[in-house]
Amino acid sequence: EAGVTQFPSHSVIEKGQTVTLRCDPISGHDNLYWYRRVMGKEIKFLLHFVKESKQDESGMPNNRFLAERTGGTYSTLKVQPAELEDSGVYFCASSPRNTGELFFGEGSRLTVL
Amino acid sequence: GENVEQHPSTLSVQEGDSAVIKCTYSDSASNYFPWYKQELGKGPQLIIDIRSNVGEKKDQRIAVTLNKTAKHFSLHITETQPEDSAVYFCAADPLLYGGSQGNLIFGKGTKLSVKP
Repeated sequence: EAGVTQFPSHSVIEKGQTVTLRCDPISGHDNLYWYRRVMGKEIKFLLHFVKESKQDESGMPNNRFLAERTGGTYSTLKVQPAELEDSGVYFCASSPRNTGELFFGEGSRLTVL
Repeated sequence: GENVEQHPSTLSVQEGDSAVIKCTYSDSASNYFPWYKQELGKGPQLIIDIRSNVGEKKDQRIAVTLNKTAKHFSLHITETQPEDSAVYFCAADPLLYGGSQGNLIFGKGTKLSVKP
């Protein structure tokens, strides 16, 4: 069974540019999460989808971040325009049910120069 | 809201020794406490978890203990091996009432190095 896949693995962009990160959850997992780890700090929750609906987006930093999950399959996280403080590793995770066990992808490292 | 503190930030042990990582949390409503291991270049992987109705759980060389009164939980790794070297994260889930929402609050991580 394929795990959670994320693309790109690393993105380097200039401040003010736009980046879109993609996550393909494990097939059949209705729950999809985005988390972010800024260098040396804790992994922080961004938002949670149940199928195509946003269940909780309380962790989204500001309106420069937009997450979508059209059709309830893969998800995208767009940052527009990117700022220096957006640099970090963005993790996607999925779960088949609300048990707390999350399956994480390898992350997308974003560097904003 | 929930806050999770994790110590130490780095830990170096000799192969065969034990390693202990400790976490404290602030929200007494938290009921689910997973531990994740992140190897270099990979995503965090769940290695063990414990729920509030249990004080200790073991899985081979790994064990987790929970003290709800003191609001702390610990990861114990015995007979450490070089492949245990990784970053370990503790987490707390403040919303586990009949089903977790998956909004985990993580500690800052512990980098464990096991020297052969």
